Amino acid sequence: EAGVAQSPRYKIIEKRQSVAFWCNPISGHATLYWYQQILGQGPKLLIQFQNNGVVDDSQLPKDRFSAERLKGVDSTLKIQPAKLEDSAVYLCASSLVAGAETQYFGPGTRLLVL
Amino acid sequence: DAKTTQPNSMESNEEEPVHLPCNHSTISGTDYIHWYRQLPSQGPEYVIHGLTSNVNNRMASLAIAEDRKSSTLILHRATLRDAAVYYCILRSFGNTGKLIFGQGTTLQVKP
Repeated sequence: EAGVAQSPRYKIIEKRQSVAFWCNPISGHATLYWYQQILGQGPKLLIQFQNNGVVDDSQLPKDRFSAERLKGVDSTLKIQPAKLEDSAVYLCASSLVAGAETQYFGPGTRLLVL
Repeated sequence: DAKTTQPNSMESNEEEPVHLPCNHSTISGTDYIHWYRQLPSQGPEYVIHGLTSNVNNRMASLAIAEDRKSSTLILHRATLRDAAVYYCILRSFGNTGKLIFGQGTTLQVKP
C-alpha cells in the first residue's frame, strides 16, 4: 500500500514570496491533516479536512495560509506571503475517517524562509 | 485536552529493553493513550494505543497504570533503528482525530 506522498521535499524561498505544498493521501482515506513542525518542537495541527470540507482550521494563520482539498483527494497548502517564522517542516497525514485510531504521516516538506 | 509529561531524553544500549515513561495525571475516562514516534527526517509513525488494559503489538508494549495517571512504552529489544523522538498523546473518544504533540522523549540507542 502506497503511503502519504508529499512534494516538494525541500523548498528555500525569500520572505514575502509565496510557496505551495502538495499532499496525496493514502487511497480511500477521507480525512487529511496538515501539521507544522518547528525545529525542536512536536507537530502542530494547522487544518483538518473530512473529504473536501474543513473540520478544524482554528490554528491556521488565515491572513497568510490557505489550504484546499477540492475533490476530496489530494490537497495543497499555500503560504502567501511567507515570513521568517514560517521556516518549518510541513507534514501531511491521512486517516480512514476522522476518529480513526491511526494517522499515517508523509515525509514532510522542509521549508526555509530567508 | 489533557496534558502529558515525558522526560526530554533517554539512553539505551542496543538489544536491551527500554521503558519510556509518560505521566498524564489529568487524564479523563474517555482519553485513549497513543504513542507515536518520529525517526530522523521522517514523519511521525503510529506505535501503539490503549485505554485501560496493557497492550502488545509487533512494535512495542504499552503498560498502563491502574489509576491511568501514567503509562510506559516498552521496547523489548532496542535496535539502532529505534532511535527516535517518542510522543505520548491523549486522545478523547469521539475526538475528531486531532493529535496534540508535546516535546516527546528523544531516545538514543548506543551500539
